[in-house]
Amino acid sequence: DAKTTQPTSMDCAEGRAANLPCNHSTISGNEYVYWYRQIHSQGPQYIIHGLKNNETNEMASLIITEDRKSSTLILPHATLRDTAVYYCIVRKRTGNQFYFGTGTSLTVIP
Amino acid sequence: NAGVTQTPKFQVLKTGQSMTLQCAQDMNHNSMYWYRQDPGMGLRLIYYSASEGTTDKGEVPNGYNVSRLNKREFSLRLESAAPSQTSVYFCASSQDRVFTEAFFGQGTRLTVV
Repeated sequence: DAKTTQPTSMDCAEGRAANLPCNHSTISGNEYVYWYRQIHSQGPQYIIHGLKNNETNEMASLIITEDRKSSTLILPHATLRDTAVYYCIVRKRTGNQFYFGTGTSLTVIP
Repeated sequence: NAGVTQTPKFQVLKTGQSMTLQCAQDMNHNSMYWYRQDPGMGLRLIYYSASEGTTDKGEVPNGYNVSRLNKREFSLRLESAAPSQTSVYFCASSQDRVFTEAFFGQGTRLTVV
């Protein structure tokens, strides 16, 4: 599996955009980038995923660089409820295991 | 719509005791997973099952056994619990299509004393 690297923690002001980076320099051609988040001690929650193109849904946007070696999750208008640990995951090419790293702890500040 | 249900939610064991963590999903998913999460760490995959009747080891399988009883249920067994197995355990399921996403249960907090 491609390894991912994320900053340990980040802060964001409420109402501003939160930009969470992820490096995955060893990603293979048909591996997808997934983002999950874990609020407090709950089970992780799926946010978004992508292969090459940028993606947007009701929760967030995912920007993947052209060389696919890094990506950025964007929460356009962060709220206090977005305070969570955010995991960037590269899905294994064969099979469908999800390997989590330690993620980025995002704190949204009032 | 229950999604992924784990039982029990909390458990305290003595060293050497055995127990089984239960997980069931009602989404007709083919794949199921067991993870553990220790303080300050991300989730680590213990075992997974790509389909009914198949299981494979993940990153940290030692000390655990699993059983994919049917398509809905995937159990995790600790034969002889050790303090190092104190953790929060999460079960998850996913469909096996390319654009799949995993759904997680609410976790089981296990303490081994």
